[in-house]
Amino acid sequence: GESVGLHLPTLSVQEGDNSIINCAYSNSASDYFIWYKQESGKGPQFIIDIRSNMDKRQGQRVTVLLNKTVKHLSLQIAATQPGDSAVYFCAENGRYGGATNKLIFGTGTLLAVQP
Amino acid sequence: DTEVTQTPKHLVMGMTNKKSLKCEQHMGHRAMYWYKQKAKKPPELMFVYSYEKLSINESVPSRFSPECPNSSLLNLHLHALQPEDSALYLCASSQKSKTGAQQYFGPGTRLTVT
Repeated sequence: GESVGLHLPTLSVQEGDNSIINCAYSNSASDYFIWYKQESGKGPQFIIDIRSNMDKRQGQRVTVLLNKTVKHLSLQIAATQPGDSAVYFCAENGRYGGATNKLIFGTGTLLAVQP
Repeated sequence: DTEVTQTPKHLVMGMTNKKSLKCEQHMGHRAMYWYKQKAKKPPELMFVYSYEKLSINESVPSRFSPECPNSSLLNLHLHALQPEDSALYLCASSQKSKTGAQQYFGPGTRLTVT
């Protein structure tokens, strides 16, 4: 049988649709946020980042929105393609007790693109 | 070159073995990291090296011993591991160790402890 904790939140979308992946972060002092894409058997791959003095940042087919009031981050992928199928992690990078570049990852979301 | 390389890709070891994982980057980055990732979980930080000195140890058991021989290389020495240490071990690097520096990840070493 399957165990609790072995299931990633999953977002299933049709090819060509837009995808929105959400993330809540924990530390209001965090000043830098990153979205990573991780395909099966590979390491995390940088997608886009945003600093806390911005609300929105756009890349190629991707947009990151930051709402500091509610500590929420989202990743929007336009015209989702089968190659976008992967696990997506948000990560926050804050000053934890003076520590330096320490990334804290969210739990991850599995994006499944249906052809 | 924006690549972090890791060797080996796969490693199977017994609980009494000693082995090492290797990581290399040639981007001139001065901060390097080891992460552990279990299946369907996010990466968890283990160690941070800044300018070849250990700056963060996230209370990792002593059976994991990191080493940074120079600014391009990072090793993780393994001894007397337990089956629960089986995981994907990821290396990363960043230009600097301060916040706001993008971390580049390698492909990882898939470790199985028998």
